[in-house]
This record gives sequence, C-alpha cells and structure tokens, in this order.
Amino acid sequence: GDSVTQMEGPVTLSEEAFLTINCTYTATGYPSLFWYVQYPGEGLQLLLKATKADDKGSNKGFEATYRKETTSFHLEKGSVQVSDSAVYFCALNNNDMRFGAGTRLTVKP
Amino acid sequence: DTAVSQTPKYLVTQMGNDKSIKCEQNLGHDTMYWYKQDSKKFLKIMFSYNNKELIINETVPNRFSPKSPDKAHLNLHINSLELGDSAVYFCASSPQLGGAGTEAFFGQGTRLTVV
Repeated sequence: GDSVTQMEGPVTLSEEAFLTINCTYTATGYPSLFWYVQYPGEGLQLLLKATKADDKGSNKGFEATYRKETTSFHLEKGSVQVSDSAVYFCALNNNDMRFGAGTRLTVKP
Repeated sequence: DTAVSQTPKYLVTQMGNDKSIKCEQNLGHDTMYWYKQDSKKFLKIMFSYNNKELIINETVPNRFSPKSPDKAHLNLHINSLELGDSAVYFCASSPQLGGAGTEAFFGQGTRLTVV
C-alpha cells in the first residue's frame, strides 16, 4: 500500500540555520504530496503542497519539490526561526491521506 | 466559524467505559477521516468515509465504530476502553477522496486518557 517515510527526529537547530527534513514515498500512480505542520496543542495545518512531478510548493519560507525520479519531497528552509519549532508531517493523497511519522523540530535562539 | 470541530477536546475516563467523540465539518466536504496520534506523534489513519459510506477501515479493533449520520458528521464510538486507547484523536475532512491537490483539513483533536 501507499506509504510515506520521513527522517526521524528530533531535529534541533540554532536560529538562522538551514533546515532539511527528508521525505520519500511509495505509491502507485501520481499522488499529491503535502507538508503539514503541528504546533503544540493544535491540529495539523497545511504548510505546502505539490500536485505533479517537478512542482515546487512554497509557503512562509519553506519549500519542497516533487521529485518523481527519486520519489521524494524534502522540506527545506534557508533560515529557521524559533517560531518554526513544531512537528512536521510529510503526507500523500492517492485516494486517501497518508502521513509520515512526523519530525519534531526545535529551534533555539 | 470553525471548519472542522470536534468535541470534547479532553476526555478522561475509566477502563471498560464506552465513550463517543463527535466531529462536524461545515466545509461542504464529501470525505471525512479519523486519525489516531500516539505519544510519539505518529499519525495513523483509522477510518475514512466518503458521502457517508465507509471507504477505509484500517486494522482497528472492532471496539471502535464510526458513524456518519450525514456528510457533515463523523462520530467515533469506542466500547470497552483500554489503557492503550489513550491518544489524541483527530478528525479531518477533504473535498473528495483523491484528486490533484486534495488536502485534508483537521480538527483540533480530542485528547483521550483512559485510567
């Protein structure tokens, strides 16, 4: 069945550091890919998405590119802030929404 | 107006009890989901409904029974609660099951604690 694998955390960075969270997927056909963010005590919010190969999703300085050849959708941000501390989930939709295990990011001042 | 709302937000109950969690969405979506998030934040799909019809029923004990009285509601009833049921349960909805870019909208979660 379809599945998402993302790098295990936790990830701890200093403010203004570069962030990469790896995500790969297994799916038949052409799923849509997403990154969601969960702040403490809240539900998941959509961060960005991409619907086809080579699409780049971006939002709030985060970006991810749909790479069909490597079945990947890695999340990047050039300069993280303390307020980016949260749990990040990679997900795919191929007739239902499937999530990776989540990666906790902590950004220290 | 909250798009996807769940009640209650917190639920503490004893082992063996039966409890329900309610979910309502006012987005006009066709598809609704229940997810379980454990203490390590792992998010596992439990059920999905499309137009009130059960589409996915993952490996979930049959003590868990979803009910969808209409497209806007998907309630979760749990019988004979066990300690291992303690988790945060999220309801979500999406415009349709699949389709390019179809995203899910989440409720705030229900933290269930079984003592």
